[in-house]
Amino acid sequence: KAGVTQTPRYLIKTRGQQVTLSCSPISGHRSVSWYQQTPGQGLQFLFEYFSETQRNKGNFPGRFSGRQFSNSRSEMNVSTLELGDSALYLCASSPFPGHSYEQYFGPGTRLTVT
Amino acid sequence: DAKTTQPNSMESNEEEPVHLPCNHSTISGTDYIHWYRQLPSQGPEYVIHGLTSNVNNRMASLAIAEDRKSSTLILHRATLRDAAVYYCILLGNNNDMRFGAGTRLTVKP
Repeated sequence: KAGVTQTPRYLIKTRGQQVTLSCSPISGHRSVSWYQQTPGQGLQFLFEYFSETQRNKGNFPGRFSGRQFSNSRSEMNVSTLELGDSALYLCASSPFPGHSYEQYFGPGTRLTVT
Repeated sequence: DAKTTQPNSMESNEEEPVHLPCNHSTISGTDYIHWYRQLPSQGPEYVIHGLTSNVNNRMASLAIAEDRKSSTLILHRATLRDAAVYYCILLGNNNDMRFGAGTRLTVKP
């Protein structure tokens, strides 16, 4: 089985712009979660989607949004980018939602905001 | 959220067993114990998880204390490929996964 894929792998944006990141889960996995990882804050949970519905949300401002499509692929969007949004954005998929299932991570999208 | 405490670093010799400890004294009854590891410039990799009973898979074993206030990840024969940062995480119903500092495992040939 192919693993979780994320596109693009690297991205450079300027402050004030918006960005959309894409995630394709492992075939058959229906739950997708997004995370932000920085050296200072470590890994932080953004949101979790299942059946095109957001099930859980972390403590991030409304500039961070996401969606899931009927084929389980997911996108996340960050509007009005700030310098502090520079980070590795990770997507993870699991067969079903919830904390009793393992998650499989993609390689991440490295976003740099200048 | 319940927190975990891990040693900052550990060393092991290749082909020897490694026991990575994790303390989680404030764990709640519904929290699952998950372990992930991460190599530089790579996404995290799932290792193992459990609730109350000890667990084994092809990568590792997870030993969970009877009171669930601590757990130990066991790599039965460390290889150079096992050198990574290992994260012990408690996941509750909100599935809010956060990594702390983790344990940096060095494997010596």
